[in-house]
Amino acid sequence: KQEVTQIPAALSVPEGENLVLNCSFTDSAIYNLQWFRQDPGKGLTSLLLIQSSQREQTSGRLNASLDKSSGRSTLYIAASQPGDSATYLCAVYNTDKLIFGTGTRLQVFP
Amino acid sequence: EAGVVQSPRYKIIEKKQPVAFWCNPISGHNTLYWYLQNLGQGPELLIRYENEEAVDDSQLPKDRFSAERLKGVDSTLKIQPAELGDSAVYLCASSSYDSTEAFFGQGTRLTVV
Repeated sequence: KQEVTQIPAALSVPEGENLVLNCSFTDSAIYNLQWFRQDPGKGLTSLLLIQSSQREQTSGRLNASLDKSSGRSTLYIAASQPGDSATYLCAVYNTDKLIFGTGTRLQVFP
Repeated sequence: EAGVVQSPRYKIIEKKQPVAFWCNPISGHNTLYWYLQNLGQGPELLIRYENEEAVDDSQLPKDRFSAERLKGVDSTLKIQPAELGDSAVYLCASSSYDSTEAFFGQGTRLTVV
């Protein structure tokens, strides 16, 4: 059974720091991996999608990497801003559905 | 392009009452998902549709939950009767036939009192 773990569960950093969020999964037979952002009381916003054949994807200040063999993905956020404060969820697409981690709650303070 | 639309955004009901949630996916997306998100947890799949066919409903508690996607577009998720433990956020998502990238709606926050 696929299990997705995210570390750390919570993170508080000052504005301007570069930071890394970690995601690990137990079954490497994934189709793709998707990173989402969730603001309090809101739905999920797709940030990056990495196909299983890819190693990384970039969008603005965000960079996500994927190492399928070791079952790991990282989300790198450069020059963090208070507006980045949210919960970040990773999900792997496996057996025709997304399986989510429990998220990393990020707070960026001025 | 309009995103996934869900209604209502919030719903408060008494236990044992029925409740229904509605989802309109992104135009042209043939795959529709209903997910349940408990507080502090990641979403978990309840049911997946390919067009009008429910292809994975293994996690749907069929004694009280039902769903339909008539005509393969809009979908409705129903709970009858609701229990206190059903309080959660119900998320709808959709994806197109040529991509597994999922796009989510704003969710419906259900509170059962």
